[in-house]
Amino acid sequence: GAGVSQSPSNKVTEKGKDVELRCDPISGHTALYWYRQSLGQGLEFLIYFQGNSAPDKSGLPSDRFSAERTGGSVSTLTIQRTQQEDSAVYLCASSLVADSNEKLFFGSGTQLSVL
Amino acid sequence: QKEVEQNSGPLSVPEGAIASLNCTYSDRGSQSFFWYRQYSGKSPELIMFIYSNGDKEDGRFTAQLNKASQYVSLLIRDSQPSDSATYLCAGLRSAAGNKLTFGGGTRVLVKP
Repeated sequence: GAGVSQSPSNKVTEKGKDVELRCDPISGHTALYWYRQSLGQGLEFLIYFQGNSAPDKSGLPSDRFSAERTGGSVSTLTIQRTQQEDSAVYLCASSLVADSNEKLFFGSGTQLSVL
Repeated sequence: QKEVEQNSGPLSVPEGAIASLNCTYSDRGSQSFFWYRQYSGKSPELIMFIYSNGDKEDGRFTAQLNKASQYVSLLIRDSQPSDSATYLCAGLRSAAGNKLTFGGGTRVLVKP
């Protein structure tokens, strides 16, 4: 596609439910990142994938969070047993490679609201 | 202490003036720095990146980096109302896996 695509754009769920957020990166981009942005805050790194290498999961806040990337393309971020503090905008970004000067292209995000 | 610090603002500047945004970082291993602009309700978009000490200019934007002082800045010349947005500073440390560490952002308001 022309840009990074995320779905759903909005998700409202009840506390304790599981949610899945999807990211479709720009075709040909080997690096994929997940960030979280709480209201009025900066971006918090969650996880990144580079090609077939093991993902860097160092930013995941708890074991309720997991992500996978199938076939080196689409990625799914799963949050189990959601809590109210999980409410945020979840942003996905991709780049050609994970290089120190490589431009990240962000998707429009998924607004997650946990009631 | 956050790894990347920014004044949250709002920074209010009159149209046509220079907006000066500052960012400090604590990780001396950070090698590259990025400025992203984020309009309300939208995703961040890259304005500039800089990795060498000194100034880097691109149109109305100038990024400045001082690694000794661990300081990055962004100047916006001839500010326009369309420049009103939140500006995010981010540092990247390749040894840490090419993940960007963002500051909290500075909100800029350009008044006509």
